Amino acid sequence: EILLTQSPGTLSLSPGERATLSCRASQSVRHSYVAWYQQRPGQTPRLLIYGASTRASGIPDRFSGSGSGTDFTLTISRLEPQDFAVYYCQQYVSSSGITFGPGTRVDIK
Amino acid sequence: EVQLVESGGGLVQPGTSLRLSCAGSGFRLEGYGKFDDFGMQWVRQAPGKGLEWVSGISWNSGDIGYADSVKGRFTISRDNAENSVYLQMNSLRAEDTALYYCTKGRGSSWKNDAFDVWGQGTRVTVSS
Repeated sequence: EILLTQSPGTLSLSPGERATLSCRASQSVRHSYVAWYQQRPGQTPRLLIYGASTRASGIPDRFSGSGSGTDFTLTISRLEPQDFAVYYCQQYVSSSGITFGPGTRVDIK
Repeated sequence: EVQLVESGGGLVQPGTSLRLSCAGSGFRLEGYGKFDDFGMQWVRQAPGKGLEWVSGISWNSGDIGYADSVKGRFTISRDNAENSVYLQMNSLRAEDTALYYCTKGRGSSWKNDAFDVWGQGTRVTVSS
């Protein structure tokens, strides 16, 4: 099973600032099968990024994903009020067991 | 708009069973595709915790997978004629307490795929 760690645990930023979230895998994730999800308080998760860097349908271009191997990053270029939420990375290499990271909370500073 | 609606959750005692259902709607609109074009998954979230993948099923039920934590106790199935997917949960434990989400894959397999549509979830509480 591939374990994912996310850092930092909490990120305190102001609207308009740039957010950089990290996701590290315990072993290489084949084909960059990494996704990022946003979960606002009391809401259902929403797919943001898949294949490490492809934005899902309807996702604004201020969200971008990058990385390969064991290190992946989600960047939010300019935080808007609705972006304050918890973000989960996921690896979906099914032969390794589908797993999620513990999440990064982005709080308003 | 494609929607998934879960039902069947509740408060049950340890060792008992529960069957969750997920009904899909809005497929076939705007060329989105049919329900049976897509793999489906169940993901759960314990209170105040993160996300845990539970089980997945391919478009034709030909390929199925389970997390180790539920293997042998939970069974996933689907009825494409009813646009529905199910999760039969047996021998429930306190650690199965969670909000259970039904999710849709982007392709026909449950494997190697992200989840692009999520339901609102149905809550399962296992307690004596």
